[in-house]
Amino acid sequence: DTAVSQTPKYLVTQMGNDKSIKCEQNLGHDTMYWYKQDSKKFLKIMFSYNNKELIINETVPNRFSPKSPDKAHLNLHINSLELGDSAVYFCASSQGPKEADTQYFGPGTRLTVL
Amino acid sequence: AQSVTQLGSHVSVSEGALVLLRCNYSSSVPPYLFWYVQYPNQGLQLLLKYTTGATLVKGINGFEAEFKKSETSFHLTKPSAHMSDAAEYFCAVSVAGRRALTFGSGTRLQVQP
Repeated sequence: DTAVSQTPKYLVTQMGNDKSIKCEQNLGHDTMYWYKQDSKKFLKIMFSYNNKELIINETVPNRFSPKSPDKAHLNLHINSLELGDSAVYFCASSQGPKEADTQYFGPGTRLTVL
Repeated sequence: AQSVTQLGSHVSVSEGALVLLRCNYSSSVPPYLFWYVQYPNQGLQLLLKYTTGATLVKGINGFEAEFKKSETSFHLTKPSAHMSDAAEYFCAVSVAGRRALTFGSGTRLQVQP
């Protein structure tokens, strides 16, 4: 059983389009995250939700909008895609929002904007 | 603000040799420290973490790391490298009040036969 799953795994789209990435965790965790990994492999937090409540909202363009319909799901919607949005997006989850909690990562979604 | 520096973006060792991947952190408050491994085209997997207590932490696949507060370091070691250890390794830190990981830039480990 996949603990943290993401769909799609690959996403190729044109500039200006709108796209969504879905994430689901079956670990019973309360907290979920979105990270962006750029072409140099650098990972940076974008958002975090705890029990469907937004708790971290980093300096991310407002074209990016996370949505958590329930605590097992955290989706990422991106409007008006730009070339610079090309990256690998990782979803993660943890038992709670405590700093010492282990985060479990999904397999990533590779987004390519043409 | 906290930060993580990983010295050496690429490390190459021979199979059976010692693996040493360096990580230094900067934090004004006690840190929680993590090492993650990323195999090609996969997500990140936790190797080990330090929260409190014993400063020598053992993880999966024979890896261990030692938290040295005086040196602000959390270097990752493995006595004998295996071909399957070839991957990207990330050191990360979190601190009280900051409920997300701050990652280093990663170190690619190559293992030569």
